[in-house]
Amino acid sequence: ETGVTQTPRHLVMGMTNKKSLKCEQHLGHNAMYWYKQSAKKPLELMFVYSLEERVENNSVPSRFSPECPNSSHLFLHLHTLQPEDSALYLCASSQEGAQGDEQYFGPGTRLTVT
Amino acid sequence: SQQGEEDPQALSIQEGENATMNCSYKTSINNLQWYRQNSGRGLVHLILIRSNEREKHSGRLRVTLDTSKKSSSLLITASRAADTASYFCATDARNSGGYQKVTFGTGTKLQVIP
Repeated sequence: ETGVTQTPRHLVMGMTNKKSLKCEQHLGHNAMYWYKQSAKKPLELMFVYSLEERVENNSVPSRFSPECPNSSHLFLHLHTLQPEDSALYLCASSQEGAQGDEQYFGPGTRLTVT
Repeated sequence: SQQGEEDPQALSIQEGENATMNCSYKTSINNLQWYRQNSGRGLVHLILIRSNEREKHSGRLRVTLDTSKKSSSLLITASRAADTASYFCATDARNSGGYQKVTFGTGTKLQVIP
């Protein structure tokens, strides 16, 4: 248990569906991240939130929409996805400000787009 | 091109042997971290080495950092079957906004045969 939970753990959705991924951290951290992990590709940073403000958006298509209502919760809203969006989506949190912040990862949501 | 690239991509050893994985990166860093990922799960932080450090130990793990060569190595001594996992290096730099930006490599898949 890393103190970061993600739900659901598995999700199968059609290209016309709308769904949301949820991440919650119980560590008192002030930064949260969404990553995408596809087979045989490096971990891709999608979004970074620091103090509930989005500070990085790595050219992610608009069909992915993040939301950070408070420092403990992070959502990734999905709509009109493509089959190539199938991947493991990982959430992480860290405490910004200290040099060398380690990131604590959730178990991930395995997303399959059909 | 990747900021962090691990070498080898895959490694298979007998239980009890040592495993060495290497990571090369391209730009200046604040620190370098190693993470481990069991199949289909989130990443777990193993060890962090700062840019002004050359070597660090944690249990059976030994990490070295050579900033002149922009490379790091992770040594796992006396390997166990439970060490079977993927290992990632992650470099930590600050982006233009001053926020932490961690970039992960492609990973080394380690298999320890009982």
